[in-house]
Amino acid sequence: QVQLVQSGAEVKKPGASVKVSCKASGYTFTSYGISWVRQAPGQGLEWMGWISAYNGNTNYAQKLQGRVTMTTDTSTSTAYMELRSLRSDDTAVYYCARGGGAVAGPFDYWGQGTLVTVSS
Amino acid sequence: DIVMTQSPDSLAVSLGERATINCKSSQSVLYSSNNKNYLAWYQQKPGQPPKLLIYWASTRESGVPDRFSGSGSGTDFTLTISSLQAEDVAVYYCQQYYSTRRFTFGPGTKVDIK
Repeated sequence: QVQLVQSGAEVKKPGASVKVSCKASGYTFTSYGISWVRQAPGQGLEWMGWISAYNGNTNYAQKLQGRVTMTTDTSTSTAYMELRSLRSDDTAVYYCARGGGAVAGPFDYWGQGTLVTVSS
Repeated sequence: DIVMTQSPDSLAVSLGERATINCKSSQSVLYSSNNKNYLAWYQQKPGQPPKLLIYWASTRESGVPDRFSGSGSGTDFTLTISSLQAEDVAVYYCQQYYSTRRFTFGPGTKVDIK
C-alpha cells in the first residue's frame, strides 16, 4: 500500500532553516511528483510547490521563491523540503503529498504531517 | 494565479440531511482538449491530513462512500453529502490542478452537526 512517512516535529529559532523528509513506499517513486502543502494553526491549506521525482524539476509558490528548496533521493525514495530564514509565520504543519509535476492530477496520498514551530 | 472561493464558510446540518458546499474558480478549470475539469475535493478531520474525496470534479476516489458526490463544470462546482453522518464532520476544501505551475486550494468549509 502507498505510504508517505514524514520526519518528526521540529522547533527552530527565527532565521534558522528546517529540512523535512518524506519517505515514500508502495509505488514506483519516480512515476509521480511530490507536492508540499502547509497549514498554519487554525488555517487552511497552502500549496508550497512540487518536485518531479522523475527528473527533479521543481515549481515553487511565488511567495516562497528564494527560501524553499525541494529535492529527492531516488535511491531511498525520499523527498525533502528545506525552508530557510524561518519566521514566526512559518509555524505550521507541513505535509507532503503524492501529486504535482508536469502531469496534472490530484493529491491522492498524504504524509502524516510534520509540525514546525518557529519561536525564539 | 487561479483563485478559489468557497461558500458557505461553515454550515450545520442535521444527521441524515443534505449538505451542499460550493466552490468557484476565478477562471475555467475545464481543459477543452479532454473535456475534464481539473478540480478536486478533500476532507480534513481534526489532527489528520487531508483525504482525497473527488477528482475530475465528479469522480469518487476508491473507498469513498457514495453519499459524497461532486458536480459542476468550468468555474462553478458543488460537493454534496446526500445524507450527513456523524463521521462526516470535517473541513472540506476544493483544489484546482489545472494550473500545474500554481495549484491552489479554496479556503475551506466547516461542516458540523445541527
